[in-house]
Amino acid sequence: AQTVTQSQPEMSVQEAETVTLSCTYDTSESDYYLFWYKQPPSRQMILVIRQEAYKQQNATENRFSVNFQKAAKSFSLKISDSQLGDAAMYFCAYRSWAGNQFYFGTGTSLTVIP
Amino acid sequence: DAGVIQSPRHEVTEMGQEVTLRCKPISGHDYLFWYRQTMMRGLELLIYFNNNVPIDDSGMPEDRFSAKMPNASFSTLKIQPSEPRDSAVYFCASSLDPERPDTQYFGPGTRLTVL
Repeated sequence: AQTVTQSQPEMSVQEAETVTLSCTYDTSESDYYLFWYKQPPSRQMILVIRQEAYKQQNATENRFSVNFQKAAKSFSLKISDSQLGDAAMYFCAYRSWAGNQFYFGTGTSLTVIP
Repeated sequence: DAGVIQSPRHEVTEMGQEVTLRCKPISGHDYLFWYRQTMMRGLELLIYFNNNVPIDDSGMPEDRFSAKMPNASFSTLKIQPSEPRDSAVYFCASSLDPERPDTQYFGPGTRLTVL
């Protein structure tokens, strides 16, 4: 089975600064999807950004962008101009191209310091 | 769209009681997933359905857990009898046919406490 590793259990960032959350994964597949989900204190899982492995261009969604390094099996999330509302648990997830099952990392808790 | 709806949002029960969690997926979504989240084990997939049929229930911890999807707009996850170690947040998620690029949309979760 695929594994997703988030090596940073906790991170903090000053408001308006930039922070990068790390994610690595293990797979033998060539086509797949990668996702970052945000889980605020409300507990709801919210999709932040997704990346198709066949696309070389890094995905961007407003202040959120990824650094996708396919050969290194790395998928980091960069949050620019951090806001207080960005404080949450962030999960990296993997899904194979044809499969239905998501594999989640253990999460990174992000604190935004005013 | 209202998104994935789960009820109840919070459930407190005593050990040995039956617990039923409910989920309404997003209309038109063919896949429905049940997850459990704990501090110790993170987010675990319990079971998922495609067109109301259970496809993979290998994540269901034991026979005390059962899930049904009687129609495209409703699913239940039942624990009978419940135990304190079942305390967790249970998420339901839905998605479209994975042949099309898609993602899973999660509900708000049900926080279950078994005393």
